[in-house]
Amino acid sequence: GAGVSQTPSNKVTEKGKYVELRCDPISGHTALYWYRQSLGQGPEFLIYFQGTGAADDSGLPNDRFFAVRPEGSVSTLKIQRTERGDSAVYLCASSLAGGLGEQYFGPGTRLTVT
Amino acid sequence: GIQVEQSPPDLILQEGANSTLRCNFSDSVNNLQWFHQNPWGQLINLFYIPSGTKQNGRLSATTVATERYSLLYISSSQTTDSGVYFCAVSGNDMRFGAGTRLTVKP
Repeated sequence: GAGVSQTPSNKVTEKGKYVELRCDPISGHTALYWYRQSLGQGPEFLIYFQGTGAADDSGLPNDRFFAVRPEGSVSTLKIQRTERGDSAVYLCASSLAGGLGEQYFGPGTRLTVT
Repeated sequence: GIQVEQSPPDLILQEGANSTLRCNFSDSVNNLQWFHQNPWGQLINLFYIPSGTKQNGRLSATTVATERYSLLYISSSQTTDSGVYFCAVSGNDMRFGAGTRLTVKP
């Protein structure tokens, strides 16, 4: 079946602009996760959804970052007033089970803030 | 939060060699996964192994949860094994190690 998909694959934006990144999880997966990966580092946890609700948003770096999953499937990560330090690859993962079960990752969105 | 340490940070092998990658973690975990990140950035699941031993072809993994470590074994390495290998653990949240960068030379 289809894996996790993310759009766009690349996004270039100017400092101060607003961006939205989309994640389509594997069909039937109830849990969805967002991570951020900077060059040469491991992925860094941002937020975890169980169904429609954010079960853990402790990794969001500040209030410029927000994520939603209104129908319990597709999720959107929203970044306001982007800064150059936000440049990274944003990864989405989903898992079948609740909690922190086996996760499957999408290809990521490479965000560049100029 | 949980600390995850992977070793070695870099590893260069000749094709056909065997290797062992290690993941140490600082606290009890519910889950542990090994991933391979290919040169295009895709994270590929290798093992979901909170405890015990699993094998998949030339790869195998062992997690000793009581001693807070996991090992990934790669036998008869191939150039396509090159990339970064990550260990990720979850207690209250999901934490990745910094990875082991493996280069397999022909």
